[in-house]
Amino acid sequence: NAGVTQTPKFRVLKTGQSMTLLCAQDMNHEYMYWYRQDPGMGLRLIHYSVGEGTTAKGEVPDGYNVSRLKKQNFLLGLESAAPSQTSVYFCASRPWGGRAYEQYFGPGTRLTVT
Amino acid sequence: KQEVTQIPAALSVPEGENLVLNCSFTDSAIYNLQWFRQDPGKGLTSLLLIQSSQREQTSGRLNASLDKSSGRSTLYIAASQPGDSATYLCAVRGGPGNQFYFGTGTSLTVIP
Repeated sequence: NAGVTQTPKFRVLKTGQSMTLLCAQDMNHEYMYWYRQDPGMGLRLIHYSVGEGTTAKGEVPDGYNVSRLKKQNFLLGLESAAPSQTSVYFCASRPWGGRAYEQYFGPGTRLTVT
Repeated sequence: KQEVTQIPAALSVPEGENLVLNCSFTDSAIYNLQWFRQDPGKGLTSLLLIQSSQREQTSGRLNASLDKSSGRSTLYIAASQPGDSATYLCAVRGGPGNQFYFGTGTSLTVIP
């Protein structure tokens, strides 16, 4: 049981390049989330999904797109990277249900845009 | 919009001391509150989750309390150890889409 995994762990992009970050979970969780973490800003929600084939915007969605074609995978895409997207990206998941259910986090992807 | 604040931003204590970390939130309509630990360059590890109907949760040397009406939670760490050095984050779940809102964390250093 690997939990939540993220690929890649590190990446350097030039301004204008595109890339996709992959999040995978093997816990059969319905909900999946993408966050970015910046110094002094805490974690901010980019997009989330409440199930296969569904996505919704979070607090800071501009410049990102997501897809959830399979229940276990949640992809985050940057179509045209900007230096402001330099950050650490975390994926999380949780099961459907009430108040007792925790979020589980992946190890993060450190992205630098030059 | 839910705002989550953690005070202090940084804390340094000698080994063995008991300490309290604070978390406050502006909207009391929450489902739960979760405390995390983050080591430098690493992901988030869940420590405790308190449901909105609960007042506190305990795990080993950790005790988290929740006062939903006043919008406050505390994380109490007993007999601190150097291995407790990390950043501690709180997150509340609620609002549109049942989202999670995070504080900016408290960086804890326990001095041997």
